[in-house]
Amino acid sequence: AQSVAQPEDQVNVAEGNPLTVKCTYSVSGNPYLFWYVQYPNRGLQFLLKYITGDNLVKGSYGFEAEFNKSQTSFHLKKPSALVSDSALYFCAFSLRGGATNKLIFGTGTLLAVQP
Amino acid sequence: DAGVIQSPRHEVTEMGQEVTLRCKPISGHDYLFWYRQTMMRGLELLIYFNNNVPIDDSGMPEDRFSAKMPNASFSTLKIQPSEPRDSAVYFCASSRSGVPSYEQYFGPGTRLTVT
Repeated sequence: AQSVAQPEDQVNVAEGNPLTVKCTYSVSGNPYLFWYVQYPNRGLQFLLKYITGDNLVKGSYGFEAEFNKSQTSFHLKKPSALVSDSALYFCAFSLRGGATNKLIFGTGTLLAVQP
Repeated sequence: DAGVIQSPRHEVTEMGQEVTLRCKPISGHDYLFWYRQTMMRGLELLIYFNNNVPIDDSGMPEDRFSAKMPNASFSTLKIQPSEPRDSAVYFCASSRSGVPSYEQYFGPGTRLTVT
């Protein structure tokens, strides 16, 4: 089955340090890839997406993600973490050329940034 | 733009009662998605509509769940009768039709507690 995997349930990082939240995909063809963030008691918010072109995608709140086709990965990164970045992060994909806008989400990674 | 609107934000009900959750998608969005989020199962897609027509309801857990979209600006998710295991946060999301790379926008969710 086509899916995305987020291998870490939780990532801990100190404020000011760089952060990485990992995502790998198992999808035929070249999917569209997304990152969403969910703050406590809120709905999911779109962060960024990869469609085509430059493998480094920049998004909201200083986040970026690197698409790596050979490693089938789409890791989320930020050069300097903030305590306010603490939230649940979801990777997702939709099918290029697909007939619907359905997104398949990963299981989520909880990011905890310590002051 | 007001974003996706959901009501109520919180619902507490007793087992056996009927529960109706409501959603107003973003104007101009032709896709509407209903998700359920729990600690145990994570984020689950229940059903989605395109142009008010249900496309895939394979995620609906059982016949106690039903969803309707009578027009482009309103959808309901009904649980009858409700059970304690239905307790979860239910999200509605909308997206623009025909563009698989277009991100989904989520509402704030309805937190349902069935006692």
